Amino acid sequence: SQELEQSPQSLIVQEGKNLTINCTSSKTLYGLYWYKQKYGEGLIFLMMLQKGGEEKSHEKITAKLDEKKQQSSLHITASQPSHAGIYLCGAGLNNAGNMLTFGGGTRLMVKP
Amino acid sequence: DGGITQSPKYLFRKEGQNVTLSCEQNLNHDAMYWYRQDPGQGLRLIYYSQIVNDFQKGDIAEGYSVSREKKESFPLTVTSAQKNPTAFYLCASSTNRYNEQFFGPGTRLTVL
Repeated sequence: SQELEQSPQSLIVQEGKNLTINCTSSKTLYGLYWYKQKYGEGLIFLMMLQKGGEEKSHEKITAKLDEKKQQSSLHITASQPSHAGIYLCGAGLNNAGNMLTFGGGTRLMVKP
Repeated sequence: DGGITQSPKYLFRKEGQNVTLSCEQNLNHDAMYWYRQDPGQGLRLIYYSQIVNDFQKGDIAEGYSVSREKKESFPLTVTSAQKNPTAFYLCASSTNRYNEQFFGPGTRLTVL
């Protein structure tokens, strides 16, 4: 099993609907990063969370890091076709500054 | 404009051949990384380098080699020892090991 589990693995939603993607670890997360990837392209940075309870928003995307710093959620409000892609969470799992470990990704499709 | 470039975008290799993937950055970042992405498995770290002339193995270094002769460049060689090299390869850089990583557009390698 992966150290960072993302759920769901894939998601199809109707345009305008809200959705949530989760990223869960059995270890404390030291820096949690959300990225978006279009198929066959590089990763685009969305947001970074570091403190337990932290919440950040950008346009219609909100990310939260729970108080225990072991789970993060990414919420999209009123989804649009432009939100389609693969969402990946990456995290440091070692307070000594380990490399980022990535989840398996969530593939999002938005039906117009 | 500052950024990370990877070339080529698509690469085809015959079995038994070594191939080298290019990664260049003009962000003045100290750290650079190579990841491999397979469907449904997120990103796996191949090699990383924190400073010039120094690099470390990641989780799946077998069959790969790197060099870091210049701060801007971190080429990856996929050798014939890599048993299943067909994948999408992503290069990234950061100011140091703890910060947000910036990704290149990727190279898709296919073994014929």
